[in-house]
Amino acid sequence: EVQLLESGGGLVQPGESLRLSCAASGFTFSSFAMSWVRQPPGKGLEWVSVINVSGGSTYYADSVKGRFTISRDNSKRTLYLQVNSLRAEDTAVYYCAKVAPEMTTWGYFDYWGQGTLVTVSS
Amino acid sequence: QSVLTQPPSVSGAPGQRVTISCTGSSSNIGAGYDVHWYQQLPGTAPKLLIYGNTNRPSGVPDRFSGSKSGTSASLAVTGLQAEDEADYYCQSYDSSLSRVFGTGTKVTVL
Repeated sequence: EVQLLESGGGLVQPGESLRLSCAASGFTFSSFAMSWVRQPPGKGLEWVSVINVSGGSTYYADSVKGRFTISRDNSKRTLYLQVNSLRAEDTAVYYCAKVAPEMTTWGYFDYWGQGTLVTVSS
Repeated sequence: QSVLTQPPSVSGAPGQRVTISCTGSSSNIGAGYDVHWYQQLPGTAPKLLIYGNTNRPSGVPDRFSGSKSGTSASLAVTGLQAEDEADYYCQSYDSSLSRVFGTGTKVTVL
């Protein structure tokens, strides 16, 4: 059974940083691209970032480019999102999602974690 | 801001058929990129419902079907059931904005 478990969210002040983690199990982690998607409270889904299987290629939404960094550790089966210079508009539930089909960053999100809430407020 | 537009809400009585549109442009759906659909039940994470325009993952009832034509796509739900009450999102790729989600549609079962 595929499982994705996010952690690392919390309440931070504007300008601060966090590192989100997503522990994966139930599939060959190193064979699938992974992504982060966020959802502000009461609003719709926004794609944030994607990373390829090796970690050598990363892509970001314009709204987070230069502030967020996606990475992965295939030996630990873990996906990360370093979020810096946080703003109030970054407040959201952050989901990690597995990308299908295998070996592509262009596909769809076939499994999602339960999400971790990041709240940016002074 | 999303480049894929969906109606904010649709509703239907149990057993009826409802459709949700997802309208894009020549830089996303009209460029030939696939459309995928997700269902988000209240208080839960999104779940993949349709991938590659028309394909259902294992376990998704055949009451759900997808289609795509030109710069738009649609999700149809036939035989509407109370458990289908949820938010639904389309998703595709845009040549300028990368992966994009639709604005979302709330389905209400009357």
